[in-house]
Amino acid sequence: ETGVTQTPRHLVMGMTNKKSLKCEQHLGHNAMYWYKQSAKKPLELMFVYSLEERVENNSVPSRFSPECPNSSHLFLHLHTLQPEDSALYLCASSLKARDGTGELFFGEGSRLTVL
Amino acid sequence: GNSVTQMEGPVTLSEEAFLTINCTYTATGYPSLFWYVQYPGEGLQLLLKATKADDKGSNKGFEATYRKETTSFHLEKGSVQVSDSAVYFCALRTNTGNQFYFGTGTSLTVIP
Repeated sequence: ETGVTQTPRHLVMGMTNKKSLKCEQHLGHNAMYWYKQSAKKPLELMFVYSLEERVENNSVPSRFSPECPNSSHLFLHLHTLQPEDSALYLCASSLKARDGTGELFFGEGSRLTVL
Repeated sequence: GNSVTQMEGPVTLSEEAFLTINCTYTATGYPSLFWYVQYPGEGLQLLLKATKADDKGSNKGFEATYRKETTSFHLEKGSVQVSDSAVYFCALRTNTGNQFYFGTGTSLTVIP
C-alpha cells in the first residue's frame, strides 16, 4: 500500500468508447503525475499537476485529457483511443519540497487494452 | 539537459550471486537519485535514495552510493534471491522542480 490508489486496475475499451482513469492519493502531496509504460519502451511522462499548475508532454495526443480537481485526485479521460495506446498507465504523487529531494510514490497502475 | 542511462538487460543470475546494475546520470544542479523496483503486475516502488554526494542509500540488502565525480549511482547487492527478480529503474530529480527522469529499466531474473 503506497498511499496512491488507481482505478480501475484493468480496462478494455473499443476505439470509439469514452472512459476515465482515476487516481487518488492520501499522502498530503501537492504534485500528481500520469506516466505511460509500454512494453520495451522507457517510462513516458504524460502530465504533471502541481499547485494548480499543469505541465504536459507535447507529444501526448489530444485524445488523452487530464483533470485535476484538487490536490488529492487526478483523472485521465480517454476518447477515441488507438490500439497503440494499450499500455500500463501509472499515477504518481510527490511533495514539491523546496530542496527538491522528495520521491515519487506510484500507484499500482491501470492496465489499458484498446481493441 | 537531464538524463539517466542504465545498463541494458536482461540480467540473469544464480541465487546468491553478486549483483551490480550500472547507472550514470547527467543533470544540472544537485539532483536527488533514486532506485525503483517493479515486480510483475505492480507499479514502481522506491527501493532506495540518496540526496547528496557521497550519500549511501540502502534497503533490503541493496546499496547505492551517490558519486558526483563519476556521476554514477550503481545498484549493488551481495547475494541475490529469487524474490529479487523484477525490473529496476534508476531515476533522478532535479532540485529545481517537479521533474523526474528515469532510465529505461533493467530486468533481473534470479534462478534457483
